[in-house]
Amino acid sequence: QVQLVESGGGVVQPGGSLRLSCAASGFIFSNYAMHWVRQAPGKGLEWVSFIRYDASTQYYADSVKGRFTISRDNSKNTVYLQMNSLRTDDTAIYYCAKDFLGTYPPDYFDMWGQGTMVTVSS
Amino acid sequence: SFVLTQPPSVSVAPGKTARVSCGGSNIGSEGVHWYQQRPGEAPVLVISDNSDRPSGIPERFSGSKSGNTATLTISRVEAGDEADYYCQVWDSSSDHIVFGTGTKVTVL
Repeated sequence: QVQLVESGGGVVQPGGSLRLSCAASGFIFSNYAMHWVRQAPGKGLEWVSFIRYDASTQYYADSVKGRFTISRDNSKNTVYLQMNSLRTDDTAIYYCAKDFLGTYPPDYFDMWGQGTMVTVSS
Repeated sequence: SFVLTQPPSVSVAPGKTARVSCGGSNIGSEGVHWYQQRPGEAPVLVISDNSDRPSGIPERFSGSKSGNTATLTISRVEAGDEADYYCQVWDSSSDHIVFGTGTKVTVL
């Protein structure tokens, strides 16, 4: 069964850090690029970051560049999102999503996890 | 990165046809993809590369593109089609993925 399961969300104070994980199963993880996408409460979808199948290339949305870092461990079938210097406007559900392809350019998302909630509040 | 503009809402009676537009200045050169998001659920891909329908998606869902506007068409609308719909493209000029503003489809 093809599946993506996110974890690591929670409540954090402004300026704090959090690391999200996304465990993949049911497909050859090391062949595919992965993404993080977020959705603030009552708002639309916002792409956050992309990582190539071999981790050689990463891209970030302007709103998170310099604060967030995407990485992956193909031996553990897991992609991560390290989030530093968190702000209140980072509050959102964070989804990991599988890319249809492995390399550049990023394409579309053919599988999504159920998401993990991140709340940044004092 | 450029902006993809969608109408905020579309209302349609059961059995009728709903059309959701997605407009952007550079959309003509990119493949457009569409997602359905029901309340409280993760998005689901319904159309890829302008008009391809993934396995498991009903034939009632179709996509097209003309110039700088893409359109998602839902024929013979059912109550279960009530959801938010988002278009998406890859912006090669900025190396960013861009989502449309989203359209809430309401079945009357």
